[in-house]
Amino acid sequence: GESVGLHLPTLSVQEGDNSIINCAYSNSASDYFIWYKQESGKGPQFIIDIRSNMDKRQGQRVTVLLNKTVKHLSLQIAATQPGDSAVYFCAENARGSARQLTFGSGTQLTVLP
Amino acid sequence: DSGVTQTPKHLITATGQRVTLRCSPRSGDLSVYWYQQSLDQGLQFLIQYYNGEERAKGNILERFSAQQFPDLHSELNLSSLELGDSALYFCASSVVGGNNGELFFGEGSRLTVL
Repeated sequence: GESVGLHLPTLSVQEGDNSIINCAYSNSASDYFIWYKQESGKGPQFIIDIRSNMDKRQGQRVTVLLNKTVKHLSLQIAATQPGDSAVYFCAENARGSARQLTFGSGTQLTVLP
Repeated sequence: DSGVTQTPKHLITATGQRVTLRCSPRSGDLSVYWYQQSLDQGLQFLIQYYNGEERAKGNILERFSAQQFPDLHSELNLSSLELGDSALYFCASSVVGGNNGELFFGEGSRLTVL
């Protein structure tokens, strides 16, 4: 069936370095993609989104890249900080499916001092 | 603080029992979503309500049911509980007409079935 998956379950980066978290999707009907951050003991928190008519979108210290050809998106975090340590999920939303998000399995980002 | 309130935060019960999880959405949000997060299944969409009416259904078991009340709070009822129902249950709400994906999640209710 259709699925959204993450390439790596864990990622460790040095404080101050840039982080890249990858995600693959397989639903060709997906037209909207979202990254969520989940800190320990908390619910997922919206980070940034991108529509399928875009290749790149930037936020504050974060950038999402979308490659529709290979059905891949990535989240780049600049100057990673200790507070960025969390599990990051990509999620997709297909046209007409309201907000029934399909979440990937998550990547645990650990920022090393 | 997302503005979404879930109770209880923790719940321990036995197999075969029934529990009710409660969610209060952000002020003004008409849509409420329920998600289950388990170690082996990740975040799974269960059900969505909009202004009291069921809007979409996901991987929700027949033993589970939900409703949204006139004051917009929602309850998720889990019955005939099994060990495999142990999980975090999240409620989320969204703004009508807002971003497609911006759901505001509560902090979850951790259910342990012994």
